[in-house]
Amino acid sequence: DAGVIQSPRHEVTEMGQEVTLRCKPISGHDYLFWYRQTMMRGLELLIYFNNNVPIDDSGMPEDRFSAKMPNASFSTLKIQPSEPRDSAVYFCASSFGGALSYNEQFFGPGTRLTVL
Amino acid sequence: AQSVTQPDIHITVSEGASLELRCNYSYGATPYLFWYVQSPGQGLQLLLKYFSGDTLVQGIKGFEAEFKRSQSSFNLRKPSVHWSDAAEYFCAVGGPSGTYKYIFGTGTRLKVLA
Repeated sequence: DAGVIQSPRHEVTEMGQEVTLRCKPISGHDYLFWYRQTMMRGLELLIYFNNNVPIDDSGMPEDRFSAKMPNASFSTLKIQPSEPRDSAVYFCASSFGGALSYNEQFFGPGTRLTVL
Repeated sequence: AQSVTQPDIHITVSEGASLELRCNYSYGATPYLFWYVQSPGQGLQLLLKYFSGDTLVQGIKGFEAEFKRSQSSFNLRKPSVHWSDAAEYFCAVGGPSGTYKYIFGTGTRLKVLA
């Protein structure tokens, strides 16, 4: 398996533009997580899905952020409009829930977003 | 509320020296604990995890960690550090029961001197 795939790896955009980050989880995994990493706040969970359904979006900072998972092999995180304070590395991770609650989360390489 | 504290932001050790990275957690029940490593420009990779049983757990790359309930700690150790171990290390605790959320510490950046 290729692991969790994220695209693009780097994104530079201007304030006010729409940004879409993409993630392909590991095949067979039923949980998908979106994280944001910044120097100031560390690694924060934004939202997670189970079987394509959003379970907890309490970490989404504001309405400018939205996430979807239209099928088991694809998810997007959208920021509209983007602001400079959204600059961060965004990680996608997936895991297989199974019978054990806290299985390993496999992380993608991240998307480094810079909003000018 | 559940929380994870990594008291050391930066640690520098010489190659070949031993290493201990500290992690303290706050959790009401038996915790699920993890250590992840992040190399520069990479995603996070699991080093080891503790769910139950033997309190000394072995991981990849020669790392081990010991769960001490009385001290609410889960410190990561390695007897002899290699230059390739230079990275950022994150401790995490499984979130509230019934959820699949991790709570991550703020990380410890390890520098290895040749």
